[in-house]
Amino acid sequence: AQSVTQLGSHVSVSEGALVLLRCNYSSSVPPYLFWYVQYPNQGLQLLLKYTSAATLVKGINGFEAEFKKSETSFHLTKPSAHMSDAAEYFCAVSLSARQLTFGSGTQLTVLP
Amino acid sequence: KAGVTQTPRYLIKTRGQQVTLSCSPISGHRSVSWYQQTPGQGLQFLFEYFSETQRNKGNFPGRFSGRQFSNSRSEMNVSTLELGDSALYLCASSLVSGLSSTDTQYFGPGTRLTVL
Repeated sequence: AQSVTQLGSHVSVSEGALVLLRCNYSSSVPPYLFWYVQYPNQGLQLLLKYTSAATLVKGINGFEAEFKKSETSFHLTKPSAHMSDAAEYFCAVSLSARQLTFGSGTQLTVLP
Repeated sequence: KAGVTQTPRYLIKTRGQQVTLSCSPISGHRSVSWYQQTPGQGLQFLFEYFSETQRNKGNFPGRFSGRQFSNSRSEMNVSTLELGDSALYLCASSLVSGLSSTDTQYFGPGTRLTVL
């Protein structure tokens, strides 16, 4: 069985501050991990994915995530938040691209 | 290249009715997956189709069904609608379904279903 836990359903940061969104996973085998973003009234957009090639994964819009097996974590970071980053972020785990198991999501608010 | 399209975008139905939602994948993508998104349960996997065959199914009652056509377009159907079926239904397509677990799923904008 596999599962994902996102710590913090709501995170607020000031514009220009570091963004850190937490994700821990549980999987019986090496997982594939994804971060998606969802803007209001839209579908999900892929930010980045981990497929065991490298533990530090760079994605779009300046986001990156580091896979830490010892901590079973895949936290998402961005050095400097922008107002346009305000959205809901979902971490997902998959043993197959055909079925994603999502975390409960983190709503990111960026304060001016 | 056009993205995943879903029709209709919004739908209002009453309890007991049935509904059909449509999804057109990205050109060349052969796998289509469906997800239900609700405030209470979050994002949950419904089922996945590849080459007109259902290959994977989530934990949903039999009222939820789907199919895929030879051009990879997919439809999902919900019969005997319940209030709890109100949700955003998301479709996602991926290039290849099968051996590669790294294939990315690309999501459509969703269909917002409201059951009154």
